[in-house]
Amino acid sequence: DTEVTQTPKHLVMGMTNKKSLKCEQHMGHRAMYWYKQKAKKPPELMFVYSYEKLSINESVPSRFSPECPNSSLLNLHLHALQPEDSALYLCASSQVGTKADEQYFGPGTRLTVT
Amino acid sequence: QKEVEQDPGPLSVPEGAIVSLNCTYSNSAFQYFMWYRQYSRKGPELLMYTYSSGNKEDGRFTAQVDKSSKYISLFIRDSQPSDSATYLCAMRPEKAAGNKLTFGGGTRVLVKP
Repeated sequence: DTEVTQTPKHLVMGMTNKKSLKCEQHMGHRAMYWYKQKAKKPPELMFVYSYEKLSINESVPSRFSPECPNSSLLNLHLHALQPEDSALYLCASSQVGTKADEQYFGPGTRLTVT
Repeated sequence: QKEVEQDPGPLSVPEGAIVSLNCTYSNSAFQYFMWYRQYSRKGPELLMYTYSSGNKEDGRFTAQVDKSSKYISLFIRDSQPSDSATYLCAMRPEKAAGNKLTFGGGTRVLVKP
């Protein structure tokens, strides 16, 4: 199983809403990532978890709050977002160490903030 | 100037032609080089992975790295309409916190039947 699943596929939320994005993998990977991708742009790294601990926060605003409840799950909690936060949010996972560059991406959640 | 430059395209080729893609970069510390393919409304998929300079072949795909010129290439032989996608190069130095990759902007490829 080389699949990373993400739910929901699409999300529309108002600026005062609270919502969560979910990501799951069953490949035994111990590194998980959140990326943000705007149209016709490459993915931008947001957060990295390694062994369920946050190892990288790329200066992401606090209205985005990641959580890694266990080695298979990764959540992204959203609160008080702005319209410019509308984007495709991608989750990825990989092994740690020498195989870390082989990142497996999920299909993404397309987020629209109104 | 961006660390990694990639022509956005679109690059349109007839079916069966060779697709030639490339990226230039400015950071001489980059050692690991990857090519990802991204179909519309999907996540990126790793195609090729190379370390340092040299060539690597996998089926119809060949990746080349020329570190002296800070230039990497991906060639797709016998292109098919199913190869129509955006191709992203990515790279990182030997030690990168969180295995952070630096991506190029992506090249959109259209293979016409």
